[in-house]
Amino acid sequence: AQTVTQSQPEMSVQEAETVTLSCTYDTSESDYYLFWYKQPPSRQMILVIRQEAYKQQNATENRFSVNFQKAAKSFSLKISDSQLGDAAMYFCAYRSGGRGSTLGRLYFGRGTQLTVWP
Amino acid sequence: KAGVTQTPRYLIKTRGQQVTLSCSPISGHRSVSWYQQTPGQGLQFLFEYFSETQRNKGNFPGRFSGRQFSNSRSEMNVSTLELGDSALYLCASSLGDRGLGETQYFGPGTRLLVL
Repeated sequence: AQTVTQSQPEMSVQEAETVTLSCTYDTSESDYYLFWYKQPPSRQMILVIRQEAYKQQNATENRFSVNFQKAAKSFSLKISDSQLGDAAMYFCAYRSGGRGSTLGRLYFGRGTQLTVWP
Repeated sequence: KAGVTQTPRYLIKTRGQQVTLSCSPISGHRSVSWYQQTPGQGLQFLFEYFSETQRNKGNFPGRFSGRQFSNSRSEMNVSTLELGDSALYLCASSLGDRGLGETQYFGPGTRLLVL
């Protein structure tokens, strides 16, 4: 089964600064998708950014960008100009792009709790 | 478009009882997936329904079951509740097309407490 590892249980950043959250994954597949979700105290899971494995270009969404290293199976999230509202638990997730029993399900890491200091 | 909705938001039950949770997907989405979130186990996949058929299932006992209706709304049922079933249950919907860039959008969750 695919595994997703987030090695940083907690991170903190000063407002307006930049922070990078790490994620690695283990898979033998070549076709897959990667996601970052954030879960604020409300517990609502919100999509932050996604990356298709077949795309070499790193995805970007406003202040959020990823560094996707397919060979290293690494998928880090960079948050620029951090804001107080960015404080949340961040989850890295993997989804298979092929067919079979793993299709459609997300595999999640254990999360990184991000604190933003004013 | 309205987001994914889940009812009820909070629920308290006692051991041995059963519970039914409901999820209404985003309009036009045909796939609904369920996840259990606990501090100890993190986020775990329960099952996925697409066009009223269970398409995928995680490693949970048979006490956990679900179904999907013709309007794509889904229900999840847990019978003979155990203390360990206390968790946040998240529902996610997606278009369900097998292919590029299917993305799951989550509801606010149902927090279940079993006493």
